[in-house]
Amino acid sequence: QKEVEQNSGPLSVPEGAIASLNCTYSDRGSQSFFWYRQYSGKSPELIMSIYSNGDKEDGRFTAQLNKASQYVSLLIRDSQPSDSATYLCAVNFSGNTGKLIFGQGTTLQVKP
Amino acid sequence: GAVVSQHPSWVICKSGTSVKIECRSLDFQATTMFWYRQFPKQSLMLMATSNEGSKATYEQGVEKDKFLINHASLTLSTLTVTSAHPEDSSFYICSAKGDRLYEQYFGPGTRLTVT
Repeated sequence: QKEVEQNSGPLSVPEGAIASLNCTYSDRGSQSFFWYRQYSGKSPELIMSIYSNGDKEDGRFTAQLNKASQYVSLLIRDSQPSDSATYLCAVNFSGNTGKLIFGQGTTLQVKP
Repeated sequence: GAVVSQHPSWVICKSGTSVKIECRSLDFQATTMFWYRQFPKQSLMLMATSNEGSKATYEQGVEKDKFLINHASLTLSTLTVTSAHPEDSSFYICSAKGDRLYEQYFGPGTRLTVT
């Protein structure tokens, strides 16, 4: 069964610190990986996508992918209270349909 | 770019009635749209995948006769909850994917309450 695993948290970090969110997936053939942010009561918002091994940076966010270890992570630098949300890792196991498998999400709390 | 809208944003209906939710891609053509349901403090549950001009593919355990999906154009998909019951109360979210986009973009969601 194709699975995406995340620690549900909550992960608590002080304001200004680096938050590190982790995700593992079961299908070695997966090609596309995404991080979504979901505020309470709202729908998910795409914040990062990554397709190749290594790091991809966008502002305060860095996504890291290691296909050999089947591991993808999201780093948030200079964390702000407004970053407090649930972060969903999603993996595209089936490249043709675009269907995504979501992890359970990690709740991040950034304390002022 | 890649904006998806949903209508209505919330709806209250009586048990036994039907409710239609619309999902539109505003600035791109969405060959594939997805419908999710989310209960409080739980992750997204994919209900079905809809491709323009063809029948939707439903996930295991989702009743296709209860949740009718129509994807009549490249910018519009609809979900109709038929004979709604209180246990159908949930947050329904659509997402859209275009041929040239790898990512899925989500609509703002529709909160359904069945009384």
